[in-house]
Amino acid sequence: AQKITQTQPGMFVQEKEAVTLDCTYDTSDQSYGLFWYKQPSSGEMIFLIYQGSYDEQNATEGRYSLNFQKARKSANLVISASQLGDSAMYFCAMREGPGAGTASKLTFGTGTRLQVTL
Amino acid sequence: GAVVSQHPSRVICKSGTSVKIECRSLDFQATTMFWYRQFPKQSLMLMATSNEGSKATYEQGVEKDKFLINHASLTLSTLTVTSAHPEDSSFYICSARDRASGANVLTFGAGSRLTVL
Repeated sequence: AQKITQTQPGMFVQEKEAVTLDCTYDTSDQSYGLFWYKQPSSGEMIFLIYQGSYDEQNATEGRYSLNFQKARKSANLVISASQLGDSAMYFCAMREGPGAGTASKLTFGTGTRLQVTL
Repeated sequence: GAVVSQHPSRVICKSGTSVKIECRSLDFQATTMFWYRQFPKQSLMLMATSNEGSKATYEQGVEKDKFLINHASLTLSTLTVTSAHPEDSSFYICSARDRASGANVLTFGAGSRLTVL
């Protein structure tokens, strides 16, 4: 079974609108972390936002927020007030196990390509 | 914030040659680094975990003799693609975590695009 599932291969959003990118995950660990990364066409992976499994509040970082629904095992990324520069691939990723250990490797979803239009 | 430098960013080589890719943590020490591979329009797949001063841990299906990893210092890990073939053409990207800072985030290098002719 896929550990990280991103069901939207591509999304379009108009500039200044909000958009939600879906991500569901599968793990039996109680302690885990969820991440969103942005990958522009240049290839680098840019960290956007992190949510720990024990965090009670949804993470927010500027225009990015993570809609964490633990019971549904979903961690959707919400981008508010979209900008043309937000056009990129977006990857959801999960770290299983506590972050304090050396097991920091991430498992990535297949990504969603976001296109922001005028 | 933590910075990971990766070099070269692009490399083109002939089939049968070996290519070395370097991954450096610039402002922090990384006892562990991770090497990922990304085929066009696909996700990142973990290849191996590079451990400073010891052998790398390879993911299932990754040939350790093909992809040699050396983590000789706390700031440098290298990936050598030996006897490269066209099917090895891919985007290779490394990452590390600044554990001393307490951050949960993996910082990625800018990636290395390998093209084998």
